[in-house]
Amino acid sequence: AQSVTQLGSHVSVSEGALVLLRCNYSSSVPPYLFWYVQYPNQGLQLLLKYTTGATLVKGINGFEAEFKKSETSFHLTKPSAHMSDAAEYFCAVTANQAGTALIFGKGTTLSVSS
Amino acid sequence: GAGVSQSPRYKVAKRGQDVALRCDPISGHVSLFWYQQALGQGPEFLTYFQNEAQLDKSGLPSDRFFAERPEGSVSTLKIQRTQQEDSAVYLCASSPHDRVFAGELFFGEGSRLTVL
Repeated sequence: AQSVTQLGSHVSVSEGALVLLRCNYSSSVPPYLFWYVQYPNQGLQLLLKYTTGATLVKGINGFEAEFKKSETSFHLTKPSAHMSDAAEYFCAVTANQAGTALIFGKGTTLSVSS
Repeated sequence: GAGVSQSPRYKVAKRGQDVALRCDPISGHVSLFWYQQALGQGPEFLTYFQNEAQLDKSGLPSDRFFAERPEGSVSTLKIQRTQQEDSAVYLCASSPHDRVFAGELFFGEGSRLTVL
């Protein structure tokens, strides 16, 4: 069965520091992987996705993630945090080959201090 | 509107009451999804529609949960005889694609249900 584990429910960084949010997945089928962000009082928004092809994926707002099959990981990074990056981040994997659902991790709350 | 709209935004129900939650997807979007998000958890899949057809309802937790999308646009999630464990935020998402692979899901802000 497919599953997603996000290590660290809360990550705190200083403005300008590297952001690293960890995601490991388990999938019995070739995975399609996603990162979504949820700002307070807003709906989830897609940051980036991996489907096929290049394993380093670039998304919006300077975020990127690398698909590492051998490590079953899809960690999210940003070289320099900004105050506006404070939000909750969810990693997700396709639930099945039919593509009818995503399985989300429990989320990581990112805090950015000045 | 330009985005996915959900109503009501907040609903308080007494245990045993029936509730109905509405989702207006982005116009023309083929796919519609319902998710349940408990406090401190990630969204959990409930059901998926492609146009008016409910192709996957494997996530519905019990037969008290029912969803419909009769004309392939607006969808309603109905919960009968609500229980305290039903308290959660119910998220609706739509997509112009017929599967999750190709593109992003556009989420509404959710309907927060509290069962007393």
